[in-house]
Amino acid sequence: EDQVTQSPEALRLQEGESSSLNCSYTVSGLRGLFWYRQDPGKGPEFLFTLYSAGEEKEKERLKATLTKKESFLHITAPKPEDSATYLCAVQGNTPLVFGKGTRLSVIA
Amino acid sequence: KAGVTQTPRYLIKTRGQQVTLSCSPISGHRSVSWYQQTPGQGLQFLFEYFSETQRNKGNFPGRFSGRQFSNSRSEMNVSTLELGDSALYLCASSLTAETEAFFGQGTRLTVV
Repeated sequence: EDQVTQSPEALRLQEGESSSLNCSYTVSGLRGLFWYRQDPGKGPEFLFTLYSAGEEKEKERLKATLTKKESFLHITAPKPEDSATYLCAVQGNTPLVFGKGTRLSVIA
Repeated sequence: KAGVTQTPRYLIKTRGQQVTLSCSPISGHRSVSWYQQTPGQGLQFLFEYFSETQRNKGNFPGRFSGRQFSNSRSEMNVSTLELGDSALYLCASSLTAETEAFFGQGTRLTVV
């Protein structure tokens, strides 16, 4: 059974304090790993797709990396507007399986 | 380019009633998936449709059903509503089942 575990559940950072979110996964035949951002009361917003170990993607202050067992979302010099829940999902031979997310709070 | 549109945004229903939620995918997207999101369980997969055919179904009771029309628009129906069905219902569309999914804003269903 495909599984995704995200850690930590919640993370509080000062503005400018860089950190990383972790997504550990087990999947039969990885077809893609996806990162989303979700603001309260809204649908998830697509950030990145990673397909193979060693791949990296960047967007503004975010950088996603992938190994055979986990993915990291690195946040460099975060700002208060980066506060959100970040979701990781994997696509194997079954539909997308999501982790429960990391709730990030960035304090000015 | 318009995103995924879900209607209605908010809904309040009474136990035992039924409800129909609607989803219009991004133009050109033929794959539509539905998810239920609750604080305790996170995002849970309901069903996936591609070209009017249900390709996958999640582990939900038969009270949950869906369909997709020839224009790729999709509906999901929940019959005999229970208090535990209160959740944010999300629809996502993608070009194919293997490409990134783009989500709508969701329908917040409250069952009283």
